[in-house]
Amino acid sequence: EVQLLESGGTVVQPGGSLRLSCAASGFTFSSYVMNWVRQAPGKGLEWVSGISAIGDTTFYADSVKGRFTISRDNSKNMVFLEMNSLRAEDTAVYYCAKDRLERRPNWFDPWGQGTLVTVSS
Amino acid sequence: DIQMTQSPPSLSASVGDRVTITCRASQSISSYLNWYQQKAGKAPRLLIYAVSSLKSEVPSRFSGSGSGTEFTLSISSLQPEDFATYYCQQNYDVPPTFGGGTKVEVK
Repeated sequence: EVQLLESGGTVVQPGGSLRLSCAASGFTFSSYVMNWVRQAPGKGLEWVSGISAIGDTTFYADSVKGRFTISRDNSKNMVFLEMNSLRAEDTAVYYCAKDRLERRPNWFDPWGQGTLVTVSS
Repeated sequence: DIQMTQSPPSLSASVGDRVTITCRASQSISSYLNWYQQKAGKAPRLLIYAVSSLKSEVPSRFSGSGSGTEFTLSISSLQPEDFATYYCQQNYDVPPTFGGGTKVEVK
């Protein structure tokens, strides 16, 4: 069974930094793109970032480009999201999601349970 | 970026009703369209990919159709467990983008 478990969400001040982690199991991790998708409170879904299976290509939404960095450790089956210069509008539940292919984001299945990031002073 | 617009934003329906949700893309996305279901407090789950392919274990009362810029998700006979919010998502181009969601509520 594929499982994704996010961690690292917490309350952080505006301008602060945070690192989210996602531990994956139940599939050949190094064969799939991994993504982060977020959902602000009471709002819809927003894709944030993706990383190719071998980690050589990264993709970002314009809203986070230059502030967030996605990375992965295929030896540990983990994907990370380093978030800097956080803003109030980054407040959201962040989901880790497995992709269907190896090169670029496609569709997301399955999703982790999410981790809440709150940016507030 | 490709904009995805869902309608209606919400609808009220009864068990047994047929429900149809529309998703429109700001440009042609061929058949690169997926649907997700999200229940309150839970993560989304993939229902349909590539317009009309049901993910395994998704009941056959769900169906998808369309191509180009207009797509629909239909539920043939609404069941109690189907009350949720539904999102479309395009994977024609990066960034992948979602529709705003359609909340299906109890009438």
